[in-house]
Amino acid sequence: DVKVTQSSRYLVKRTGEKVFLECVQDMDHENMFWYRQDPGLGLRLIYFSYDVKMKEKGDIPEGYSVSREKKERFSLILESASTNQTSMYLCASSALGAGVFNEQFFGPGTRLTVL
Amino acid sequence: AQKITQTQPGMFVQEKEAVTLDCTYDTSDQSYGLFWYKQPSSGEMIFLIYQGSYDEQNATEGRYSLNFQKARKSANLVISASQLGDSAMYFCAMSPPEGGTSYGKLTFGQGTILTVHP
Repeated sequence: DVKVTQSSRYLVKRTGEKVFLECVQDMDHENMFWYRQDPGLGLRLIYFSYDVKMKEKGDIPEGYSVSREKKERFSLILESASTNQTSMYLCASSALGAGVFNEQFFGPGTRLTVL
Repeated sequence: AQKITQTQPGMFVQEKEAVTLDCTYDTSDQSYGLFWYKQPSSGEMIFLIYQGSYDEQNATEGRYSLNFQKARKSANLVISASQLGDSAMYFCAMSPPEGGTSYGKLTFGQGTILTVHP
């Protein structure tokens, strides 16, 4: 059974803390994505990666960074968490070369609260 | 740039009735894909159905069908015989043509919350 896992379902952090969100996929996918989901705004792409050590900014990268040292793992880093980063974070992966049918497989999400 | 619009923040339907969730899109690409995902309250995103821009027939998957009207740039999801378990958030999404810097990115709409009443 294919799977994308995220390190935490719920996380509470303090303003100014450095926060790491981890995502692991077991499908040998090249592409990995980080989204944040907010009511009324849908899913917005933060960063994505198409290969190990490669990363590209999405639509809302400010305040975030990412790391992909291994193909199966994609980490989202909040360098100094702020209250406006309280949100649901979703990780996804997809295969390279699937054409327009590039179905993304999602993790269960991490609900982050920054106090 | 691609854009997806879901104009219905919330929809209600009676159990066993059919319901249509609206999705319109904007793109200048000729080749693209359209997806629908379901997100129950537990949070995971579940892929439901896909339609390619060159597919001549509307996609169907069990109780789900995609009403694809290319000229109107709409890709509405039709759920037949609604069940209580269909209550969830539904997202419409779009993929760009393969190649270039697309890297499999999807553009998502705002979502529609569907509530099925017994």
